[in-house]
Amino acid sequence: ETGVTQTPRHLVMGMTNKKSLKCEQHLGHNAMYWYKQSAKKPLELMFVYSLEERVENNSVPSRFSPECPNSSHLFLHLHTLQPEDSALYLCASSQDRRSDTGELFFGEGSRLTVL
Amino acid sequence: AQSVTQPDIHITVSEGASLELRCNYSYGATPYLFWYVQSPGQGLQLLLKYFSGDTLVQGIKGFEAEFKRSQSSFNLRKPSVHWSDAAEYFCAVGSTTGTASKLTFGTGTRLQVTL
Repeated sequence: ETGVTQTPRHLVMGMTNKKSLKCEQHLGHNAMYWYKQSAKKPLELMFVYSLEERVENNSVPSRFSPECPNSSHLFLHLHTLQPEDSALYLCASSQDRRSDTGELFFGEGSRLTVL
Repeated sequence: AQSVTQPDIHITVSEGASLELRCNYSYGATPYLFWYVQSPGQGLQLLLKYFSGDTLVQGIKGFEAEFKRSQSSFNLRKPSVHWSDAAEYFCAVGSTTGTASKLTFGTGTRLQVTL
């Protein structure tokens, strides 16, 4: 496989469920990201993991919990979500910005619906 | 804080006509600027980027963009649109601090192409 792979592509969950989104990159990059894409809103950066940084958007609720066990894998753990959390969740990766222009490579997204 | 404005939410052009999508940014230093395209159900694909040097940059699929510092703009152009160009287009500005890429996206412009 090449590029950035996200699973599952579609997920429907109730507000009391616990689920996880998975992202895997095969590009040899050393930074990974979670973005949230909602209708009529700009893409919202949720979390960033890189060699030297972990960045969290302080506006992201604690019901979203990221995990980055290594530079190739990124998870987004979901629990007790709300219907307004329904959105497309995009994973991206990049090379260290000091050696590159910081271009992001995106996966195809996980479409989440919270009932 | 950095920000991006895409004033046109929706644009319709005829196939074969020229296209210009507007993007204005706010950033305190020389920015990294990007244009991404998103087809339905897909992730974002990079069209082109400005890092430094020549202010007119060429991208994939026949697209180009011009960086105008005096106008804080980075408009995307294509001389002749094809029906397959129908998609949503996102302009983004990148932070130059830290090792990870922290892109701020605009709200996007949806392009419809009529035959």
